[in-house]
Amino acid sequence: DSGVTQTPKHLITATGQRVTLRCSPRSGDLSVYWYQQSLDQGLQFLIHYYNGEERAKGNILERFSAQQFPDLHSELNLSSLELGDSALYFCASSVYGTSTSEQYFGPGTRLTVT
Amino acid sequence: SQKIEQNSEALNIQEGKTATLTCNYTNYSPAYLQWYRQDPGRGPVFLLLIRENEKEKRKERLKVTFDTTLKQSLFHITASQPADSATYLCALDPPSSGGSYIPTFGRGTSLIVHP
Repeated sequence: DSGVTQTPKHLITATGQRVTLRCSPRSGDLSVYWYQQSLDQGLQFLIHYYNGEERAKGNILERFSAQQFPDLHSELNLSSLELGDSALYFCASSVYGTSTSEQYFGPGTRLTVT
Repeated sequence: SQKIEQNSEALNIQEGKTATLTCNYTNYSPAYLQWYRQDPGRGPVFLLLIRENEKEKRKERLKVTFDTTLKQSLFHITASQPADSATYLCALDPPSSGGSYIPTFGRGTSLIVHP
């Protein structure tokens, strides 16, 4: 158990809908990262927050947005969902802000768009 | 852009042998490189980090080497066990144009240890 929690574990929704994925980091970690993993793309970095502020953006679509709240939990919002958004979404946390080392990953949310 | 290459073919070895996985990278000189383990349907688990000034790092049955001239890291598991069967990912964090760091993972190599 990494200490990172993600909810929900599974999510099935229809195209065009909007969903919110939630992540709680390990106690003491200020950084939260979001990743998308599909079979043909590997683990793709989406966005990094540190202590409530956005630190880095990867190939995150404009339909996706995220935020980190004062209690350090984070939410990833996915809207206007398409079939291609079906994937495993992981969040990870770290104590570091400028280095991306030693990330602790949550169990993931499996999103299925039908 | 940064490219990380890991062997896409699965590595099959017999229990008790040493498994060696390779990570090659281009267009970047990282300050450190990381290795993670991922089991099917689960999140990656951090294993080891090696810095550019370290040639080798060990942790129990794991050993990582880092050759910044060849732009290559080797990951070894000695006395391998069936429980070591998983996908192993290497990761770097090249800087973005904005000065932040972008965590970048290789596609991983699947290791299968046969009893």
